[in-house]
Parts: sequence; C-alpha cells; structure tokens
Amino acid sequence: AQSVTQLDSQVPVFEEAPVELRCNYSSSVSVYLFWYVQYPNQGLQLLLKYLSGSTLVKGINGFEAEFNKSQTSFHLRKPSVHISDTAEYFCAVGGGADGLTFGKGTHLIIQP
Amino acid sequence: DTAVSQTPKYLVTQMGNDKSIKCEQNLGHDTMYWYKQDSKKFLKIMFSYNNKELIINETVPNRFSPKSPDKAHLNLHINSLELGDSAVYFCASSQWGDTGNTIYFGEGSWLTVV
Repeated sequence: AQSVTQLDSQVPVFEEAPVELRCNYSSSVSVYLFWYVQYPNQGLQLLLKYLSGSTLVKGINGFEAEFNKSQTSFHLRKPSVHISDTAEYFCAVGGGADGLTFGKGTHLIIQP
Repeated sequence: DTAVSQTPKYLVTQMGNDKSIKCEQNLGHDTMYWYKQDSKKFLKIMFSYNNKELIINETVPNRFSPKSPDKAHLNLHINSLELGDSAVYFCASSQWGDTGNTIYFGEGSWLTVV
C-alpha cells in the first residue's frame, strides 16, 4: 500500500522569498516520487521526479526536491518564487499500471 | 501536437443524462488512466488499462464504464449522471516498463451536473 501526506494545504509566501512544500510518503515497494503542478483551470504538469540515484532532483521552473529515505520525505523547494508560481502542487508516489497515489495538494499563494 | 488530449474540456448536463468523454494519446504509450479530481482538488485513480486490458478498477459506481478501442484511446462513458459526479476528469498515459513510469496528463474535462 502507498500513501502520501502533504502537511500544508496552503502556503502563503512573499514574492522573491524561498519556499518549501512538504511531502511525506509511505510505500511498501520501490519508491518512485513525483511532484506535479496544476495552474488554475489547467491540467497537471510534471515538475520533477525521483527514480533512483542522486537524492537531489532538479526540475523545471527552478524547483528542486530532495529524497530523504530515513525521513520518508520528498520536500519541494524553490529559492525565490514569482507570482507565476501561484498554483496547486501535488506530491505523488508510485508508477506503472497501478498509477499514482497523490497527496491532497498544497496551494501555493504568492503575495506581492 | 498535444500529447494527451481529451474532449470536451467543459461539459454541463442535467441529472439523469448519459455522457462520454474521449481521450487520445499520441505518445505511443501502452497504458492509459482515468483520474477524478473532486471539488477539494483531491485526485484519485478510477481506471487503468494496459494494452486495452483493464488493470485497475477502483471503487467506482458501475454507471462509469471505460472503453479502450485501441492502445491510443480510452473513453469514459457515464450513465444516469448524478450531482455528485460533478468533478474534473483527467485522462493520462504512461509506458509500462519504463523506469518510474512517468504519467502524462491531459488538460482535464470539467463536468458539471445540474
């Protein structure tokens, strides 16, 4: 069984400030981890993924995430956010025909 | 070219009607999915097909019937629509056996039942 917990439903951040969106997972099989972003009224876009190897993963739009096996975490970070980063961010675990198990999402709100 | 395309994007219909959402992918993938996103943005898998065979059928009312005529298409038919069916439905695809099996999503179909 797999599950994902996104600890914050909403994160307000000032523009140009750093941000961290938290994600913890539980999985009994090989761990593949993903972050997706959903802009208002749009579909899901892959930000980055961890499959194996280096625990620091870089993605699009300046985002990165770090896989921490001992803490079962995969937190998403960006050193300086922009208004255009306002969106819903989803952490997910899994892959294959079983699909992905998603967290409940974190709404990132950028304040000017 | 859109990788995963679904139509219609917006659909408003009355309770009791039957409707279909179509999905096509041009990525050459052999696995396709339907996900439902509720009003609280929660995403949950409904079905997955691999090479036109049903792999996952989550606890979904049997009013929902997926149909996969070929590997590139997975349509979703909904009978006797209810108010609670209002949601965003996402089609997605991936390639079985690819490490990590990255899943690519369509733009979503916003269904409103009135």
